[in-house]
Amino acid sequence: KAGVTQTPRYLIKTRGQQVTLSCSPISGHRSVSWYQQTPGQGLQFLFEYFSETQRNKGNFPGRFSGRQFSNSRSEMNVSTLELGDSALYLCASSFSQINEQFFGPGTRLTVL
Amino acid sequence: AQTVTQSQPEMSVQEAETVTLSCTYDTSESNYYLFWYKQPPSRQMILVIRQEAYKQQNATENRFSVNFQKAAKSFSLKISDSQLGDTAMYFCAFIPYLYGGSQGNLIFGKGTKLSVKP
Repeated sequence: KAGVTQTPRYLIKTRGQQVTLSCSPISGHRSVSWYQQTPGQGLQFLFEYFSETQRNKGNFPGRFSGRQFSNSRSEMNVSTLELGDSALYLCASSFSQINEQFFGPGTRLTVL
Repeated sequence: AQTVTQSQPEMSVQEAETVTLSCTYDTSESNYYLFWYKQPPSRQMILVIRQEAYKQQNATENRFSVNFQKAAKSFSLKISDSQLGDTAMYFCAFIPYLYGGSQGNLIFGKGTKLSVKP
C-alpha cells in the first residue's frame, strides 16, 4: 500500500505570494492533518479534515487555509507569505478518528 | 493547556547498548493515546510505538518498549541493542480521545536528538 504523498517536495516563494501544498493520504484513510515544523516552534498543528469537513483548527492566522476533496486528498493554502512561514509542512493521514497518524515526507517551503 | 515535555534535547549511546528517552505530558483528559515518532535526517516522520492510556500493559515493538506511568503522566521510550539506523530525532506525542468519539490533534514535544555511535 502506498504511503502518504506530498507535492511539491520543495518550494521557494517570495514574500507576499501565495502557495498551495497538496497531500494524498493512504488509500482508505479519511482523516488528513497538517502540521508546521520549524526549529524554533517545533511541530505545530494547523488543521484536520475528515470526510471533507474541517474538524479541528490550530492557532494560526486566517492566511492558512485548507480543504479536502471527496477522494480524501487535501490541499493547504497560505496567502500573503511571510518570512516566518518558512518551514517543513507535514501532512498525516489516519483511517479513522482514533487511529495513529502516518506522515508524508513533507514539503519544504522557503520564503525569501 | 495540554503539553508534552522532553527534558533531554540531545542524547548519545554506543551501538548495541540501551538508552531511555524521557517524556512527561500534561492533560486533563482521561482518555488519550501516546506515541513515539522517529524523524531521521531524511525528515520522514515514522511511528515507532503507540500506547493506549486505558491499557496498563506497556507497549513493545521489537527493540522498542515504553514505560507508561499514567499517574505520573510519564511515557519513556527504551531502545535496546541500539543500531546506527536509530540515529534520529525522537518525538513524544499524545492525542486526546474526546467525548463523542472525536479526537483532538497530535500534541508533540520538542524532541530528543539521539545519536548512536559506532
